[in-house]
Amino acid sequence: NAGVTQTPKFQVLKTGQSMTLQCAQDMNHEYMSWYRQDPGMGLRLIHYSVGAGITDQGEVPNGYNVSRSTTEDFPLRLLSAAPSQTSVYFCASSYSMANYGYTFGSGTRLTVV
Amino acid sequence: QQQVKQSPQSLIVQKGGISIINCAYENTAFDYFPWYQQFPGKGPALLIAIRPDVSEKKEGRFTISFNKSAKQFSLHIMDSQPGDSATYFCAASPYSGAGSYQLTFGKGTKLSVIP
Repeated sequence: NAGVTQTPKFQVLKTGQSMTLQCAQDMNHEYMSWYRQDPGMGLRLIHYSVGAGITDQGEVPNGYNVSRSTTEDFPLRLLSAAPSQTSVYFCASSYSMANYGYTFGSGTRLTVV
Repeated sequence: QQQVKQSPQSLIVQKGGISIINCAYENTAFDYFPWYQQFPGKGPALLIAIRPDVSEKKEGRFTISFNKSAKQFSLHIMDSQPGDSATYFCAASPYSGAGSYQLTFGKGTKLSVIP
C-alpha cells in the first residue's frame, strides 16, 4: 500500500549509541519532515526537506542529522543518543501542504537508557 | 515560546454531545490552520483545514470556526461518537513560502466520548 513507512517500530538504545531511523515514501512527495512527539508537548519539528539534496532545521534539531539523497528516503540519524531523546518519532511527507496536508508514518518509539 | 496554544488538555463528552477544542496563535504570519486526528499507536491524519478568508468551514460533523481579530480558531465535533475518541492537534503555518513547510502544532487534546 502507498504511504510512509518507518522502521523500526520500536528501539532501545544505550546512552551514547548511534542509530538511524528509516523513512520511505512511495507517493513521489517532495516535502518530508521528522517530528518528535512527547507527552504533553505535541509534535515538534526536528528537520525537514523540500526535495532531494535540500534539508533544513526545524524547532529541535540538536543531536540529529538528516540527508535526502533520493525523493523516496529521508533517514534521521541520532549521533550520540541521550535519555532526553526518548520519544516517539514520526516521519511525514506531502505533495502539497496546503491542499493535502502531511501523510504521517506510524512512528518509531525510541527509548534511550 | 509556544506559538499555538491548545485547550483543553483532555475532554470527556457524552455520545451525541458537542466536543469543542480551542486554539490560539501569536504569529501573524500564520494563515493556514489544519486540524489533525491521532488514534493510539498511529500517526496523525489530516482532518480538516481552514484559511482566514472564511470564518467557518464544515465537513460532515466537523466544523472549524476562525476568528482572525482574536487570533483564535476552534474545532467543533457535532453528535460526537465513541469512534471520535482520539487525540486532536491544531496546527498553524504560513500558507506559502518557506515557512509553509514548518507546521507548528498545539500540545493536543485527548477526547473521550462515552456511551
